[in-house]
Amino acid sequence: EVQLVESGGGLVQPGGSLRLSCAASGFTFSSYWMHWVRQAPGKGLVWVSRINSDGSSTSYADSVKGRFTISRDNAKNTLYLQMNSLRAEDTAVYYCVLGTGRWLQLDYWGQGTLVTVSS
Amino acid sequence: DIQMTQSPSSLSASVGDRVTITCRASQSISSYLNWYQQKPGKAPKLLIYAASSLQSGVPSRFSGSGSGTDFTLTISSLQPEDFATYYCQQSYSTPRITFGQGTRLEIK
Repeated sequence: EVQLVESGGGLVQPGGSLRLSCAASGFTFSSYWMHWVRQAPGKGLVWVSRINSDGSSTSYADSVKGRFTISRDNAKNTLYLQMNSLRAEDTAVYYCVLGTGRWLQLDYWGQGTLVTVSS
Repeated sequence: DIQMTQSPSSLSASVGDRVTITCRASQSISSYLNWYQQKPGKAPKLLIYAASSLQSGVPSRFSGSGSGTDFTLTISSLQPEDFATYYCQQSYSTPRITFGQGTRLEIK
């Protein structure tokens, strides 16, 4: 059974940093691209970032480019999102997401971790 | 980025109703269109991928259609557990995928 378990969320002041982790199990982690998707309170889903299977290629939404860094440790089956220079508008639930199909659908989602940026 | 526009933004319906939600892309995305269901406090769940393929385990009352720029999600006979928010998502311009703004389906 595929499991994605996020951790690392919490309250942080504007300008601060936070690192999210996503522990993956139940599939061959090193074979798949992974994504982070976020959802601000009461709002819709927004794609944040993705990383390819070996970590050599990454992409970011314009809103986080230069501030967030996605990475992975295939030996530990873990995905990361380093978030720097956090802003109030980064407040959201962050989901770790796996897409396995050729149509790049997002098959499996973690339960999410809440990041709150506030003074 | 490709913009995805859903209509309506919210919808009231009764158990047993047939419901259709529309999603329009700002440019052609072939069949790279997926649909998700999200209930309050829960992660989204994939319902339909490639515009019309039913994800394993999803009830057959859910169906999808369309290609190019115009797509629909249909629920043939609403059940109590179907009241949720539904999102379309394009995967054509990967990795820069985009979602629609969501359609909230409420009980009438």
